[in-house]
Amino acid sequence: AQRVTQPEKLLSVFKGAPVELKCNYSYSGSPELFWYVQYSRQRLQLLLRHISRESIKGFTADLNKGETSFHLKKPFAQEEDSAMYYCALMSDNNDMRFGAGTRLTVKP
Amino acid sequence: GAGVSQSPRYKVAKRGQDVALRCDPISGHVSLFWYQQALGQGPEFLTYFQNEAQLDKSGLPSDRFFAERPEGSVSTLKIQRTQQEDSAVYLCASSLTPGSEYRFYEQYFGPGTRLTVT
Repeated sequence: AQRVTQPEKLLSVFKGAPVELKCNYSYSGSPELFWYVQYSRQRLQLLLRHISRESIKGFTADLNKGETSFHLKKPFAQEEDSAMYYCALMSDNNDMRFGAGTRLTVKP
Repeated sequence: GAGVSQSPRYKVAKRGQDVALRCDPISGHVSLFWYQQALGQGPEFLTYFQNEAQLDKSGLPSDRFFAERPEGSVSTLKIQRTQQEDSAVYLCASSLTPGSEYRFYEQYFGPGTRLTVT
């Protein structure tokens, strides 16, 4: 069975500082990994997925199969980045598993 | 366009009551997922439909939980004889059927139903 671990429940940085939200996974198959975000009083929404190798709102995430990690990074955090971030893994049979989430606070 | 909708948004039930939670997916989305999110936790997978077929129900915590999607669109999650540990936010998500070579599985989430069992 797959498992997703986000070791930090809370992360606080100052505006303009780099930010990294950690995600580690365990899965024996070929994983599809995602980052979802939930802003205050909004619904959960997709931020980015590893297969697209895209940068969304300045965030990037690289899949490291050797370290089984998919950390989310942004070089210069903005106050509007404050939100809950969830790392998720989709298995071969469409079973999506989420991590417990990291609450990011970007202070002015 | 319209997103995923869920009703009711809030439900308070007395222990032992049955509840039914509704999900209206995005029109044309074939796949539908139910999740349970306890306070301070990430969403936990409950079950998955492709059209009307329930392909995976491994996440349902007990036989008190039952989900259906009889016509391949609207889905209902039913919880019988509710217990206090059932208190959580129940999220529904829908996605396009897997078809692209990149397994484009973006899920679009509803606002959730917050269930409180007293």
